[in-house]
Amino acid sequence: GAVVSQHPSRVICKSGTSVKIECRSLDFQATTMFWYRQFPKQSLMLMATSNEGSKATYEQGVEKDKFLINHASLTLSTLTVTSAHPEDSSFYICSGGTGLETQYFGPGTRLLVL
Amino acid sequence: GNSVTQMEGPVTLSEEAFLTINCTYTATGYPSLFWYVQYPGEGLQLLLKATKADDKGSNKGFEATYRKETTSFHLEKGSVQVSDSAVYFCARRNTGNQFYFGTGTSLTVIP
Repeated sequence: GAVVSQHPSRVICKSGTSVKIECRSLDFQATTMFWYRQFPKQSLMLMATSNEGSKATYEQGVEKDKFLINHASLTLSTLTVTSAHPEDSSFYICSGGTGLETQYFGPGTRLLVL
Repeated sequence: GNSVTQMEGPVTLSEEAFLTINCTYTATGYPSLFWYVQYPGEGLQLLLKATKADDKGSNKGFEATYRKETTSFHLEKGSVQVSDSAVYFCARRNTGNQFYFGTGTSLTVIP
């Protein structure tokens, strides 16, 4: 099946710094990718829809100025957590697909903000 | 709405026991329904899916039937194995291809 990669797989940063997470579709092109967040022992929550060449669409309650999304090409979307705080510590997951039927999820990025 | 309600865990079963994990969804239109599995330390993997009413998704011995009348998509397996220990997520996909997940059910199968 199609492959989605994320980098880095884990990152530890100091409070107040910014962290960029990359999501790549390795063997397909994705005009749309999605970013999710998973807290420990909880479900994935959709954060935003990343659209290639245009602005991302954010879910209600997600701060767009804090979670900057850029989808510069058909194979790359980035999520930047700006001025990270400990409460931003979470597991961030992206997904992309080749059509309406199937989405492929990345392995996730674990962020720990100290 | 886009909610998915999933049976809470954790669930602990003996090997070869029968498994049911309940899942219901809000009935706005006819969404595609999915079960994803997350093994320890790994990302989400698609387990099975159904795209219209009365469809049955199946994979690796797991089954789920899309029931429009009860807005349900319960996951079943007749005989679980230790290797089935994982967290299982029910999800619906809306027309924009966004996924909305249930809270996840942790399954532990003991020998």
